[in-house]
Amino acid sequence: DVKVTQSSRYLVKRTGEKVFLECVQDMDHENMFWYRQDPGLGLRLIYFSYDVKMKEKGDIPEGYSVSREKKERFSLILESASTNQTSMYLCASSFGSGIKAQYFGPGTRLTVL
Amino acid sequence: AQSVTQLGSHVSVSEGALVLLRCNYSSSVPPYLFWYVQYPNQGLQLLLKYTSAATLVKGINGFEAEFKKSETSFHLTKPSAHMSDAAEYFCAVTPNNNDMRFGAGTRLTVKP
Repeated sequence: DVKVTQSSRYLVKRTGEKVFLECVQDMDHENMFWYRQDPGLGLRLIYFSYDVKMKEKGDIPEGYSVSREKKERFSLILESASTNQTSMYLCASSFGSGIKAQYFGPGTRLTVL
Repeated sequence: AQSVTQLGSHVSVSEGALVLLRCNYSSSVPPYLFWYVQYPNQGLQLLLKYTSAATLVKGINGFEAEFKKSETSFHLTKPSAHMSDAAEYFCAVTPNNNDMRFGAGTRLTVKP
């Protein structure tokens, strides 16, 4: 089974702090994604990556950056956390090119005070 | 641009009753369609996917969905609801790349 893990289930940070969310997948998937999930809005894509050291902006990249130094790991960085970044963050991965289902981690619920 | 509309943010059914969760898509090219389920405090789990083969797709846990091009719909059904089906369900669409678009979600409540 595909396993996607996220470093924290719950995280509380203060405004202005730098926040790192880590995601690791164990199925050698090329593609990795970061979404945020908010009530009534579904999932919105922040960034994605097709390969190591490669990144592409999604729909809402402002205030976020990402890093992919190894194939299995995709990090989401909030350079200076703000209260409007309080949300559920979901990481996903998928295999290869073309249409492939995405496999999700359990999510990190981030609260910024 | 691809988009997905899920009709009804909340659906409530009695245990044993039919489950119908509605999803309509807009797409300029033949789409690939997915249904995901999210149980409380968990990530999304793939229920089923349509990839231009059979229009009736069977998924896990007794769910199925039918692709209707004329109606641009991909509604999710289950003949008999179980208490364990209570969760949030997301419809998603993707064209011929990795850009997946999710609907806003439908929360299913199952009453005893």
